[in-house]
Amino acid sequence: AQTVTQSQPEMSVQEAETVTLSCTYDTSESDYYLFWYKQPPSRQMILVIRQEAYKQQNATENRFSVNFQKAAKSFSLKISDSQLGDAAMYFCAYLTMGSNYQLIWGAGTKLIIKP
Amino acid sequence: EPEVTQTPSHQVTQMGQEVILRCVPISNHLYFYWYRQILGQKVEFLVSFYNNEISEKSEIFDDQFSVERPDGSNFTLKIRSTKLEDSAMYFCASSPRGWGVETQYFGPGTRLLVL
Repeated sequence: AQTVTQSQPEMSVQEAETVTLSCTYDTSESDYYLFWYKQPPSRQMILVIRQEAYKQQNATENRFSVNFQKAAKSFSLKISDSQLGDAAMYFCAYLTMGSNYQLIWGAGTKLIIKP
Repeated sequence: EPEVTQTPSHQVTQMGQEVILRCVPISNHLYFYWYRQILGQKVEFLVSFYNNEISEKSEIFDDQFSVERPDGSNFTLKIRSTKLEDSAMYFCASSPRGWGVETQYFGPGTRLLVL
């Protein structure tokens, strides 16, 4: 069975600085998707970025980028120019493929932005 | 931009009572999901639904749970006889068929408290 591990329960960063959140996963599948979701205090789950496993190029969305290392089964999120609005829980998630689509979630990392 | 909506935002109920959580997925989406997040724990998959039937369900989704698409827009989760441990945030999500099926868009959640 697939598992997702986020080893950093909490991270803090100074506003305008760069921070990297770690995520590792375990799978025997070769084709899958990985996601980072953001959950602010409102607790809504907001999609930040996604990565297709078959693509070698790392996904980028404005200030958010990933470092996808397929062989190492690592999927880290880099947030550049951190802003106060980035403060939230960040969840890494793995999507099982095949006939059914099911997200498997990490435990989350709480990101604190220091003004 | 289309959004997944959920009602109510908060629900307080007595143990043993039935609750129905409602979701309106994005209009052209055909895959629907329910997840739950107990406070301080990982997000957990409950069930996926496609073509008017359950595609996949987790061990959590026992006989106390049921899902329904009563009309062309709503997707509901029913808990027949709530337990204290059902207290959680319940998220509905949807994804389109075909291109983009791998990306699930989440509603704002319903916070369920069972007393």
